[in-house]
Amino acid sequence: GDSVTQMEGPVTLSEEAFLTINCTYTATGYPSLFWYVQYPGEGLQLLLKATKADDKGSNKGFEATYRKETTSFHLEKGSVQVSDSAVYFCALSKTSYDKVIFGPGTSLSVIP
Amino acid sequence: DTGVSQDPRHKITKRGQNVTFRCDPISEHNRLYWYRQTLGQGPEFLTYFQNEAQLEKSRLLSDRFSAERPKGSFSTLEIQRTEQGDSAMYLCASSLGNPGQGARGQPQHFGDGTRLSIL
Repeated sequence: GDSVTQMEGPVTLSEEAFLTINCTYTATGYPSLFWYVQYPGEGLQLLLKATKADDKGSNKGFEATYRKETTSFHLEKGSVQVSDSAVYFCALSKTSYDKVIFGPGTSLSVIP
Repeated sequence: DTGVSQDPRHKITKRGQNVTFRCDPISEHNRLYWYRQTLGQGPEFLTYFQNEAQLEKSRLLSDRFSAERPKGSFSTLEIQRTEQGDSAMYLCASSLGNPGQGARGQPQHFGDGTRLSIL
């Protein structure tokens, strides 16, 4: 069945470091791809999305490009801040009603 | 925009008891979803409503679980005869979408969840 795999955490980075969180997916057809973020004590928020191959989603300095040839949607940010500390979930959706399939999440801690 | 509201935020109960959670979606959203999230895992889909119609139920939703959305607005999720394995965060989400729109509809907005602990 459809699934999402992402790099295991936790990931610890110093402030202003470069961030990459790897995500690959397994799905038939052409799913939409998402990154959701869960800050401590808060609910899930959509960070960015891409709906077709080669699309780049971006928000708050984060970017991810939909790569169909490698079935990947890696999350990147050039310079992380302490406020980026959160759990990041890669996800896909392909049904007519947008049921979302999530990866296991990657915890990020950014230290000053 | 008041967001998706879930009640209660926390529920502690003894094994074997029944519990009910409520979700109030964003007012104009016609789609409503329930997910379950266990510690260290991503959310898992449980069920989906388009207006008042429940259109899909995951195999995770055993016969002890029932969800309703009687007037196409708020929804309830009831768990009967709770078990230890039911301990999790139960998340509700809503979105606006039309039939045939495919997986290109509006993004889902999540509530803060109800954390269930079974003693």
